Amino acid sequence: QKEVEQNSGPLSVPEGAIASLNCTYSDRGSQSFFWYRQYSGKSPELIMSIYSNGDKEDGRFTAQLNKASQYVSLLIRDSQPSDSATYLCAALNTGTASKLTFGTGTRLQVTL
Amino acid sequence: EPEVTQTPSHQVTQMGQEVILRCVPISNHLYFYWYRQILGQKVEFLVSFYNNEISEKSEIFDDQFSVERPDGSNFTLKIRSTKLEDSAMYFCASSGTSGVQGQFFGPGTRLTVL
Repeated sequence: QKEVEQNSGPLSVPEGAIASLNCTYSDRGSQSFFWYRQYSGKSPELIMSIYSNGDKEDGRFTAQLNKASQYVSLLIRDSQPSDSATYLCAALNTGTASKLTFGTGTRLQVTL
Repeated sequence: EPEVTQTPSHQVTQMGQEVILRCVPISNHLYFYWYRQILGQKVEFLVSFYNNEISEKSEIFDDQFSVERPDGSNFTLKIRSTKLEDSAMYFCASSGTSGVQGQFFGPGTRLTVL
């Protein structure tokens, strides 16, 4: 069973702090990874993608990938109350080039 | 900014009835997907569709489910005889390059089976 694992949280961080969200995956054939943000009752919104080992930065977001450890993370700098949501990690096996396998998500709460 | 649209936003049906969920993918995308999310659970893949045929389907996508692209813009999911356990949010997604650039999700249809 190919799984993506996340701590369900909630992860509580004060406004302005760095939020660190983590994800592990079991399928070594996974080559592309995505972070989605999902507000309650809404659909997943793509915020970051990463394919290569190392860091990828986009504004306040940094995605990190370590394929040897099968580990993906998302850092959110200067966290805002509007960042409060569930963050979904997803893996794509480009051999199938089809389905995303999602984790259960980590709920982030940014407190004032 | 182009987006995926879905109708209806909420569908209530009786067990055993057929439902059709509709999606309009992003216009220049070629890969289409259906996912579902039961309340409180993870997003689960149902089916992917490319070049007018199913490219992959999950164990959930049994004979009760079918997909169709009836014209150049719509992409539909049909559930032939709904069960109580089909109650979920159904998300349509599309991507331009076999998903490697990410899949973009529509707002979803909440299906309630009574």
